[in-house]
Amino acid sequence: DIQMTQSPSSLSASVGDRVTITCRASQTIFSYLNWYQQKPGKAPRLLIFAASSLQSGVPSRFSGSGSGTDFTLTISGLEPEDFATYYCQQSYNSPRTFGPGTKVEIK
Amino acid sequence: QLQLQESGSGLVKPSQTLSLTCAVSGGSISSGTYSWSWIRQPPGKGLEWIGHIYESGTTSYNPALKSRVTISVDRSKNQFSLKLSSVTAADTAMYYCARGNEDQLLYYFDYWGQGTLVTVSS
Repeated sequence: DIQMTQSPSSLSASVGDRVTITCRASQTIFSYLNWYQQKPGKAPRLLIFAASSLQSGVPSRFSGSGSGTDFTLTISGLEPEDFATYYCQQSYNSPRTFGPGTKVEIK
Repeated sequence: QLQLQESGSGLVKPSQTLSLTCAVSGGSISSGTYSWSWIRQPPGKGLEWIGHIYESGTTSYNPALKSRVTISVDRSKNQFSLKLSSVTAADTAMYYCARGNEDQLLYYFDYWGQGTLVTVSS
């Protein structure tokens, strides 16, 4: 299985901050990397697919980059509704595996 | 707008079989190049993909659970189902169904159900 790691595991930030979350795969996954946002008690929501493609309806302050083994999710200008846990997920091979998550909390 | 809704037993005894169904509305389970997945999340933990099925009935399972998992599809009812046998407390989790949107290696979960909590306890 491809192992996914994320850093940091949690962070504190203020509204308006620029936030960057990193995801690393245990082997190359080219650009087959997706990002999800999950709020407490809710299902995950797709934000970014194929490393950098913004899902329809997702605000443009979310962006993704990277290829190979190292990827980043950036939130440019944190909004109150962005406080949540973010997961990366690889789709290069089966089983589909997720990172352990990064919790973004209010400072 | 596509909607997915999980249903099934919320409390299962150890060693028994967990059974869940995902009803799909707002679209056909038979249209497009989609797979239909089950994903679970133990309380306070991360996400684990259990497996998926295509409308043809072709399945793929997570090797960690493969010996205990069966996913099936009922095209007439526009729904798919999960059975997980010989459950233990480690199977206690929120169970989500989700649509997998695929294009060769590009594969992402774009629609999710709200989730259903399954507790394994005697």
